[in-house]
Amino acid sequence: GENVEQHPSTLSVQEGDSAVIKCTYSDSASNYFPWYKQELGKGPQLIIDIRSNVGEKKDQRIAVTLNKTAKHFSLHITETQPEDSAVYFCAASKGYSGGGADGLTFGKGTHLIIQP
Amino acid sequence: DTGVSQDPRHKITKRGQNVTFRCDPISEHNRLYWYRQTLGQGPEFLTYFQNEAQLEKSRLLSDRFSAERPKGSFSTLEIQRTEQGDSAMYLCASRPTVDTIYFGEGSWLTVV
Repeated sequence: GENVEQHPSTLSVQEGDSAVIKCTYSDSASNYFPWYKQELGKGPQLIIDIRSNVGEKKDQRIAVTLNKTAKHFSLHITETQPEDSAVYFCAASKGYSGGGADGLTFGKGTHLIIQP
Repeated sequence: DTGVSQDPRHKITKRGQNVTFRCDPISEHNRLYWYRQTLGQGPEFLTYFQNEAQLEKSRLLSDRFSAERPKGSFSTLEIQRTEQGDSAMYLCASRPTVDTIYFGEGSWLTVV
């Protein structure tokens, strides 16, 4: 089955600086890679996603890059703000029509701390 | 608020009791998922439904766990004879006919 590794487990950055979280996946059939933000006591909230036919996607201060050959993808947050503090999860799946294991396989999460 | 509703949000139960969680997905989302999340870990897939059919179960879903989606709308997850190791957050998610999966706020279970 799919295996997703995520690094680092904890990331502390100064407010206004950039943060980068990296993930690798094992199953070359995976083609959908979402990122979720989870605040304490709440469910995961989708913040950005990318499909395997795209190398990069950006939404305001958040961007995701994908390297299919190396099987890794990264989340980039620029101009970090205190409200960015949360746990971030990467995930991989074969997508809606991928068949087999239909759900998402998650990394273990990164606790992002924004220092004022 | 994603529109996926879970009830109850918190449940404390004694070991050996049965508990049931309910999930109301986003209207017209035909796929519904259950995940389990323990502290410091990412969500782990338990099972999913397409309409009323349960199409896949994880090895994590022991025979004490049962999930239903009788009319292809809401779903229930029942845990029988709860054990302390069942303490976790149980997440429900739904998916339309595209890739995006939307999660609810979760149901916290504490077994004492």
